[in-house]
This record gives sequence, C-alpha cells and structure tokens, in this order.
Amino acid sequence: GAVVSQHPSWVICKSGTSVKIECRSLDFQATTMFWYRQFPKQSLMLMATSNEGSKATYEQGVEKDKFLINHASLTLSTLTVTSAHPEDSSFYICSARDRRDYEQYFGPGTRLTVT
Amino acid sequence: GQNIDQPTEMTATEGAIVQINCTYQTSGFNGLFWYQQHAGEAPTFLSYNVLDGLEEKGRFSSFLSRSKGYSYLLLKELQMKDSASYLCAVLDSNYQLIWGAGTKLIIKP
Repeated sequence: GAVVSQHPSWVICKSGTSVKIECRSLDFQATTMFWYRQFPKQSLMLMATSNEGSKATYEQGVEKDKFLINHASLTLSTLTVTSAHPEDSSFYICSARDRRDYEQYFGPGTRLTVT
Repeated sequence: GQNIDQPTEMTATEGAIVQINCTYQTSGFNGLFWYQQHAGEAPTFLSYNVLDGLEEKGRFSSFLSRSKGYSYLLLKELQMKDSASYLCAVLDSNYQLIWGAGTKLIIKP
C-alpha cells in the first residue's frame, strides 16, 4: 500500500520558536496533501489543503500566517508553525491523496509540545 | 451544511459483534470511508464504499445505502485490539473528505 512519512514524529520546542514538519509520499505522487490537527479525545480537524505548485487553502479559523504550508513537489509538503505557543501543542497529521484515486493515505503524525 | 453523524461511544464484549452507524448529509457524494484510529496514532484505512451494498473484508464489513445517506461498519469476533475510534468520512462533490467526529469503541473482556 501507499506510504506517507512524517518527520519529526515528535518535537518539543520553546514558546516563540518555529517548527517545521515534513510530509512525504514515499511511493506515489500526491497532487493534494492535507494537514490536520487533533487535540486529545477530539476528532480530526482539517487545517488546510495544499495542491502542488499552488497556495494552500486554509479552513476557516486557521491563521495562514501562523501555519505556513509549502507543497513544492508531488511528494513533499511542509507545515511550519511560526512563533509557537503552548496552545499550539497538538497532534499534527498529514495525508496525501494519490493522483490515481481519491483515497487519502495518512502519515504517522507529529506530536508537538510547546513549553 | 454538511453533516456526518455517528455515535460518540459504544461498548461491546470480546468475541461479540458490533455495528457502528453513520448517517450523512453532504453536498454530493463520491464515496464513504471508514478509518480506525488508535489513541495517539494516525488513522488507518479500513474500507471504501461508493456503491450500495455490503463490502466484506475479514472480520470487518461495511454497508452503504446512498438513498438513505447511511452506512455502517460491522465488526465481528471482537478482539481487545479493536478498541479504538472509528471514523466515518464522506468524499463530497469537490472530492474533499468530510469527517465525522468518530465513535470510540470500548471492548470489555
């Protein structure tokens, strides 16, 4: 099956710093990648949708200047949390849509803790 | 608006059968997915239905009725490792996944 990797799997950073999370589709080309956030005991919340070579589309309430998304190639998207605060601590999950079908393949997630 | 409903939590006994229901109202329909998510992990794909009927895959089966906007996930011969959240998601007319809030399934010995 299709594999999506995420790096890092967990990160601890200090308040005010920026953190970059990478999402890669390893064995397929993904024209579209999705970034989700999940707080404990809550469902997935879509943050943004990114299409290769174009600007990301952010969901309502998600600050695009705070959560910078770059989808530079068909296999790589990055999410940068800028000026992180403790309330940004969460589980961030990316998924990639295979261009041959519409199934979404999830990465293993990145647990971010901001101290 | 778009809406997907599924029970918040269900409890079942090891070895038994459980059915998790999902009803949806979306702008268009291009298929329905079921995902399993263990605590602290990303979701993993279980099934995809786009035509009416039952799809069986081992201990798990998924059913779809497009006219009723209804699906269910059936889990047989429950095992303790099946304790997880089960997420229903619909692919709408724009091929965007609309997520339900998930059903937390608790398996008791």
